[in-house]
Amino acid sequence: GQNIDQPTEMTATEGAIVQINCTYQTSGFNGLFWYQQHAGEAPTFLSYNVLDGLEEKGRFSSFLSRSKGYSYLLLKELQMKDSASYLCAVRDGTNAGKSTFGDGTTLTVKP
Amino acid sequence: DTGVSQNPRHKITKRGQNVTFRCDPISEHNRLYWYRQTLGQGPEFLTYFQNEAQLEKSRLLSDRFSAERPKGSFSTLEIQRTEQGDSAMYLCASSFSPSEQYFGPGTRLTVT
Repeated sequence: GQNIDQPTEMTATEGAIVQINCTYQTSGFNGLFWYQQHAGEAPTFLSYNVLDGLEEKGRFSSFLSRSKGYSYLLLKELQMKDSASYLCAVRDGTNAGKSTFGDGTTLTVKP
Repeated sequence: DTGVSQNPRHKITKRGQNVTFRCDPISEHNRLYWYRQTLGQGPEFLTYFQNEAQLEKSRLLSDRFSAERPKGSFSTLEIQRTEQGDSAMYLCASSFSPSEQYFGPGTRLTVT
């Protein structure tokens, strides 16, 4: 079966760095997404990893290790507006269209 | 606004009624996805189109759910004989490549 695990909640301080982990066990793997979702809104695409290593995009970076079934999202210089749910999703479909999502990590940034 | 649009944004219906939702993807995006999301959970994949072809469909979907993308542009998702368990946010996403997905604002369905 498909299994994606993320911590349910995390808290961090404004200006700090936070790492949100995601581990997965899926029947197929074609890539891994990270999304940000504010309460009551749709997910917003943040990053995509298909090869091992670190992808940096401004204050956000995402890391993938396919052999370990592990990814993390790193947020630097945290801002209050970063308070949101962060969703990890694995592309695992036969035709690479299907993605399986974790239940998200709710990040609260405190002043 | 050239993002993904969905209509209606909210739908309240009585159990047993049929409902239809529409998704207009970003122009020139040939890939279109439907998801369902309930509170506190991540989106759950429903179906995937590449152009007008429905290439993947969740086994979780019962026969009451059907989706179309007749001309490879907009898509519709129909739920027949709605049940209270169908209450959720229905999300549509589109992309040009498989390495990205851009979500619409969603249609919130409430079945009473």
